[in-house]
Amino acid sequence: KQEVTQIPAALSVPEGENLVLNCSFTDSAIYNLQWFRQDPGKGLTSLLLIQSSQREQTSGRLNASLDKSSGRSTLYIAASQPGDSATYLCAVPTFSGSARQLTFGSGTQLTVLP
Amino acid sequence: NAGVTQTPKFQVLKTGQSMTLQCAQDMNHEYMSWYRQDPGMGLRLIHYSVGAGITDQGEVPNGYNVSRSTTEDFPLRLLSAAPSQTSVYFCASRTGSANVLTFGAGSRLTVL
Repeated sequence: KQEVTQIPAALSVPEGENLVLNCSFTDSAIYNLQWFRQDPGKGLTSLLLIQSSQREQTSGRLNASLDKSSGRSTLYIAASQPGDSATYLCAVPTFSGSARQLTFGSGTQLTVLP
Repeated sequence: NAGVTQTPKFQVLKTGQSMTLQCAQDMNHEYMSWYRQDPGMGLRLIHYSVGAGITDQGEVPNGYNVSRSTTEDFPLRLLSAAPSQTSVYFCASRTGSANVLTFGAGSRLTVL
């Protein structure tokens, strides 16, 4: 069974700092990995999807990397801002029953201090 | 374009009461799903549907029922609420081939 782990559970950094969020998964036979953002009291918003054939995917100040062989992904946030404060979750697809499902990590709660 | 709409946003129940969480999407998505989110445990799949008339169980289906009579709607029913069902519930949808799910804003349920 695929298990997805995110460490640390919470992170607090001063504004302007570059930071890295970590995601690890137990079954390396994945074909993509997604990073989501969740604001308090809101649903999840997809940030980046990185295919298994890719090593990196970038969107603005965000950069996601994927190393399937080691079962790890990182989300790099450059020049962090208070507006980046949110919970970040990673997820990998698994096949279960009649459809492709997502298995989520428990998330990293990020606080960027002004 | 409303996306995925969940109602109610908040609900308090007593143990043993029943209720239905509503989910509607206007994007003609074939796939719809319900997750629950508990502190420290991420999102766990309760039930899902790949199209009207088709439903299947996810990781944590006990205590919940679903039906899919139309493409747009996917209600989640709690027949006899228990305190262990206190959680935040999310509905999500996508097209059959898409990789990215569209999430609703969530429904926070407290069972006393």
